[in-house]
Amino acid sequence: DAGITQSPRHKVTETGTPVTLRCHQTENHRYMYWYRQDPGHGLRLIHYSYGVKDTDKGEVSDGYSVSRSKTEDFLLTLESATSSQTSVYFCAISESSGAGELFFGEGSRLTVL
Amino acid sequence: GQQLNQSPQSMFIQEGEDVSMNCTSSSIFNTWLWYKQDPGEGPVLLIALYKAGELTSNGRLTAQFGITRKDSFLNISASIPSDVGIYFCAGEDLTGGGADGLTFGKGTHLIIQP
Repeated sequence: DAGITQSPRHKVTETGTPVTLRCHQTENHRYMYWYRQDPGHGLRLIHYSYGVKDTDKGEVSDGYSVSRSKTEDFLLTLESATSSQTSVYFCAISESSGAGELFFGEGSRLTVL
Repeated sequence: GQQLNQSPQSMFIQEGEDVSMNCTSSSIFNTWLWYKQDPGEGPVLLIALYKAGELTSNGRLTAQFGITRKDSFLNISASIPSDVGIYFCAGEDLTGGGADGLTFGKGTHLIIQP
């Protein structure tokens, strides 16, 4: 299994509070991604990173920000959580662009009350 | 954005039956992939396809990259209980350089009845 660790695995928070999810990899892969998974929507890309300090928006980036200060860590932040951000969040890594072979973490389940 | 239409949404089958699911798109993809997700876990790559017309097998799984580059199918032969899960197709479009990840279908839930 690819060395990807997500934390926390489960979190319950209240509307309006900030939340940060962490993805840590030990594979030294250049590309990292944050997806959210919701019933009826499959997996949708939030943000991605193609190197340290290099990030870009995905399909559903509103309300989210990311940071990557080290190769191994990719943080996803919800500045002010809303109930619509209740979801399961997956981090994924890839060794190179164009290869398409993403390796996923185990997911972080976030509930916003 | 691009969309993948994956069907069927769910399948209820008997153990030992063959399974077939497919994915179509209005856009051309350069790579097609199939993932499986078990409950409480992240998706795991099953098969990757890189050329139009390519037919690839992985054990009881067979997948094909459509000639038009707009579709792909996955077959599972002689299903067993551990095949239960959600199967996702995914496509990669390299027009943006490929760094922006994959577009995923909404998944096919495979349920095996005893």
